Amino acid sequence: AQSVTQLDSHVSVSEGTPVLLRCNYSSSYSPSLFWYVQHPNKGLQLLLKYTSAATLVKGINGFEAEFKKSETSFHLTKPSAHMSDAAEYFCVVSSSNDYKLSFGAGTTVTVRA
Amino acid sequence: DGGITQSPKYLFRKEGQNVTLSCEQNLNHDAMYWYRQDPGQGLRLIYYSQIVNDFQKGDIAEGYSVSREKKESFPLTVTSAQKNPTAFYLCASSISGTGVYEQYFGPGTRLTVT
Repeated sequence: AQSVTQLDSHVSVSEGTPVLLRCNYSSSYSPSLFWYVQHPNKGLQLLLKYTSAATLVKGINGFEAEFKKSETSFHLTKPSAHMSDAAEYFCVVSSSNDYKLSFGAGTTVTVRA
Repeated sequence: DGGITQSPKYLFRKEGQNVTLSCEQNLNHDAMYWYRQDPGQGLRLIYYSQIVNDFQKGDIAEGYSVSREKKESFPLTVTSAQKNPTAFYLCASSISGTGVYEQYFGPGTRLTVT
């Protein structure tokens, strides 16, 4: 069994300040973890993925995430938010023996000018 | 330009009518998926197909049907048996096989049933 909890349903930041989106997971097997972004009325775009290589994963648009097995977390960060980062973000887990993805409920990011 | 296309972008239907949502991919992926997205609930898997002429139910398959006659195409039919069909529907595809592969998503179809 696998599941994902995104700890914040909404995050608001000022442009140029850091962004932190928190994600905890549970998985019976070695997990693969993903962060996707969705802009309004659009499909999902992959930001980054962790598949048991380096625990610090760099993605597109300046985002990165750190896999912490002891804390079962995979938090997403960006040092400096841009207006274009306003979107919904999904943390996703998949177990190594099951290609099915389990999605978190999403975190909506608002960026203030 | 490789990718996944879904049509139409917006769809309106009367209650009691079946409706088919289109999904086409030119990524040469074996696996395809249909998800339903409702506000505040993330994505839920409706059906998936790992290979042509084969598909399996996901977590919320009741009231939906699919076919996979071609590798590129995976249409979803929302039947009148689906109690609450109004939602945003997303199609995805991925490489198939052992291991975990990221899924690539289409732009979605917003279905409104009144």
